[in-house]
Amino acid sequence: DVKVTQSSRYLVKRTGEKVFLECVQDMDHENMFWYRQDPGLGLRLIYFSYDVKMKEKGDIPEGYSVSREKKERFSLILESASTNQTSMYLCASSRPGTETQYFGPGTRLLVL
Amino acid sequence: AQSVTQLDSQVPVFEEAPVELRCNYSSSVSVYLFWYVQYPNQGLQLLLKYLSGSTLVKGINGFEAEFNKSQTSFHLRKPSVHISDTAEYFCAVSVTGGFKTIFGAGTRLFVKA
Repeated sequence: DVKVTQSSRYLVKRTGEKVFLECVQDMDHENMFWYRQDPGLGLRLIYFSYDVKMKEKGDIPEGYSVSREKKERFSLILESASTNQTSMYLCASSRPGTETQYFGPGTRLLVL
Repeated sequence: AQSVTQLDSQVPVFEEAPVELRCNYSSSVSVYLFWYVQYPNQGLQLLLKYLSGSTLVKGINGFEAEFNKSQTSFHLRKPSVHISDTAEYFCAVSVTGGFKTIFGAGTRLFVKA
């Protein structure tokens, strides 16, 4: 079974803090994704990566950055957390050509 | 650009009743279509997908969906729901050969005893 793990299930941070969300997959997938999920808005793509050290902006990249130093790990960074970044963050991975994405359990981030 | 519209934000239904969750999409190119399910406090998991071939797609847990190209729809159905089907369901579309998947806003299915 594909397993995608995220470093924290729940996180509480202060405005202005730098926040790191980690995602690890164990199936050697080339593609990895970061989404945020908000009620009534579904999932919105923040960034994705199709190879190590490669990254592409998604639909809502402002205020975020990413890092992919190893194939299995994709990190999302909030440089200076703000209250409007309070959300559920979901990581996913996929193999090119299969289109199916495998999701982690999510990190619920609260920024105070 | 592609877009996905889930026509119902919430669907309450009694146990053992049939259910249909509606999804329409728009795209000028060929697409793949998906339904994902999210149980409380979990990530999403694939329910079923249409890539090509038969327009009736069967998925896990007794769900099925029908791809209708002329109506640009991909509605999800189950003939008899269980309490355990209570979850949020997401319709999604991706362009063939592309990286990005566009998700709908989600439909919350409440199954009542």
